[in-house]
Amino acid sequence: EAQVTQNPRYLITVTGKKLTVTCSQNMNHEYMSWYRQDPGLGLRQIYYSMNVEVTDKGDVPEGYKVSRKEKRNFPLILESPSPNQTSLYFCASSFDTDTQYFGPGTRLTVL
Amino acid sequence: ELKVEQNPLFLSMQEGKNYTIYCNYSTTSDRLYWYRQDPGKSLESLFVLLSNGAVKQEGRLMASLDTKARLSTLHITAAVHDLSATYFCAASLDTPLVFGKGTRLSVIA
Repeated sequence: EAQVTQNPRYLITVTGKKLTVTCSQNMNHEYMSWYRQDPGLGLRQIYYSMNVEVTDKGDVPEGYKVSRKEKRNFPLILESPSPNQTSLYFCASSFDTDTQYFGPGTRLTVL
Repeated sequence: ELKVEQNPLFLSMQEGKNYTIYCNYSTTSDRLYWYRQDPGKSLESLFVLLSNGAVKQEGRLMASLDTKARLSTLHITAAVHDLSATYFCAASLDTPLVFGKGTRLSVIA
């Protein structure tokens, strides 16, 4: 089954404790991206990747890192999480400008 | 800077009625997307519009793109309760993708 998977789905952590949210797709898509969704603000792009070893900043990259060492994986790293990074995070993938497939989301709470 | 504005943000409509959601974007965009999100769920891609005059239809939903007016519309025909959801448009010039704030649609009997 074609899908984008994210782990964990729910995470509660404390300020400053490094964490990684994994994203994996099985559709051989070149393009992958991370978004955060906040009430009243909609979805905002954090980082995106056009292919392996190619990543670029979206609208709200501060406090986040990504890597794209393999085509299927695109982890989101929070080196020192803060409460303002409490949000719902989505990973997505696509062939270039085509239909994007979204993962199920990761609900992160930073205390 | 690309900005995307949707309206209305909230829409309550009766079953069987027609309505249109509007998506305006501020600068040139080379593609326009429409997504659906059910409460507590992820986003589902509905349409990708890549050129001026593009029109796509799926069931009771039809999306169109006017790049000269920087406007896309999502038209709902004969609404049914199953269409209740939040609908997002998103635009991009190269990258990154910029989303509108979403239109929360409620279809009532």
